[in-house]
Amino acid sequence: EPEVTQTPSHQVTQMGQEVILRCVPISNHLYFYWYRQILGQKVEFLVSFYNNEISEKSEIFDDQFSVERPDGSNFTLKIRSTKLEDSAMYFCASSENRLGGHSPLHFGNGTRLTVT
Amino acid sequence: DAKTTQPNSMESNEEEPVHLPCNHSTISGTDYIHWYRQLPSQGPEYVIHGLTSNVNNRMASLAIAEDRKSSTLILHRATLRDAAVYYCIPIRGSTLGRLYFGRGTQLTVWP
Repeated sequence: EPEVTQTPSHQVTQMGQEVILRCVPISNHLYFYWYRQILGQKVEFLVSFYNNEISEKSEIFDDQFSVERPDGSNFTLKIRSTKLEDSAMYFCASSENRLGGHSPLHFGNGTRLTVT
Repeated sequence: DAKTTQPNSMESNEEEPVHLPCNHSTISGTDYIHWYRQLPSQGPEYVIHGLTSNVNNRMASLAIAEDRKSSTLILHRATLRDAAVYYCIPIRGSTLGRLYFGRGTQLTVWP
């Protein structure tokens, strides 16, 4: 069964550094998402992306964050200058269609980002 | 989006059925009811969804109350691999993939 893959599985970085988290969504999917989960807390929506532009973003997704689909297969999340509070699991997801109830999200297994 | 209420935790023995309840009394008529689960150290995984009728797939069954204010996810024979946090998520038809995860129900399965 096709799956969403994320790399790296664990990233350690120093405060203030830039990080890029990478994802390969399922090949025929058109909608892409990033979510995050701080340890012990809920899974939170960050951003959705379609047709090479952001469809929706949450209040968490400020100017320090950006997303890009640099080629036909990868989808990336960049954090420009990491803060300690950015430490979390970051999940990429994709869906075949616009989520109108009939298009479930498929999640990757996440990248654990640790900011020291 | 509709608020949900789920028990914090539930337990089951292996090979027994499990009924995971969810109250979503503020659901609107066009909201679908989705269930996801999250196994330890993994990303959320889609389980099943429905609108009004009961639904079955290879993973589970979903029973939706006639007034749609509650639903029950049914695992017919729990396995150790079913130990996870289960999330009930009402989704408006116009939502662009923004899922609101609550705390969910932590299911423990005993051998």
